[in-house]
Amino acid sequence: IAGITQAPTSQILAAGRRMTLRCTQDMRHNAMYWYRQDLGLGLRLIHYSNTAGTTGKGEVPDGYSVSRANTDDVPLTLASAVPSQTSVYFCASSAGATDTQYFGPGTRLTVL
Amino acid sequence: GQNIDQPTEMTATEGAIVQINCTYQTSGFNGLFWYQQHAGEAPTFLSYNVLDGLEEKGRFSSFLSRSKGYSYLLLKELQMKDSASYLCAVEDSNYQLIWGAGTKLIIKP
Repeated sequence: IAGITQAPTSQILAAGRRMTLRCTQDMRHNAMYWYRQDLGLGLRLIHYSNTAGTTGKGEVPDGYSVSRANTDDVPLTLASAVPSQTSVYFCASSAGATDTQYFGPGTRLTVL
Repeated sequence: GQNIDQPTEMTATEGAIVQINCTYQTSGFNGLFWYQQHAGEAPTFLSYNVLDGLEEKGRFSSFLSRSKGYSYLLLKELQMKDSASYLCAVEDSNYQLIWGAGTKLIIKP
């Protein structure tokens, strides 16, 4: 592994289903982030974690949850997916909370 | 509210120079980032400005004026591979990034 990986690459999901998007980094970065990117809008922060064991809410946290049990992984869970959660989801990490963020390849999620 | 404005789309010719502007109104300022994003790919870091002035990095330069809430990204000697979206992001008082919607740059031969 080099950098940040995300899984799955893409997913089609029925509304109401539970889904976990995975993100792993091998750079030993302290801070990790989840964004969604929608056409015509800037990246919007969903949740973040400045260090293992801590998480915080971003601009659009409703319907999502994250955990940070260790430094390398920050799974994002949609408890009950809705069509408005159709988006491209990017995970990012940075050495510290104020440092440059580096992005994973993204997960394209479609909720029907 | 917080706001980042960039042109939606720009067109330029291979070999030419293009300037992509970004204006911002945010709660606090701790720096401004430019990222490049090719279609279907992840954003990649280009530049960071925290003090007024010009930062040059090869064919790309970025300028910041904090008093005017303004930045630009200057791309010289344009190549076809520079066709991409360019994202402006401001780090606010909570050190969270506020993102513009991006400028799609189309390079024509």
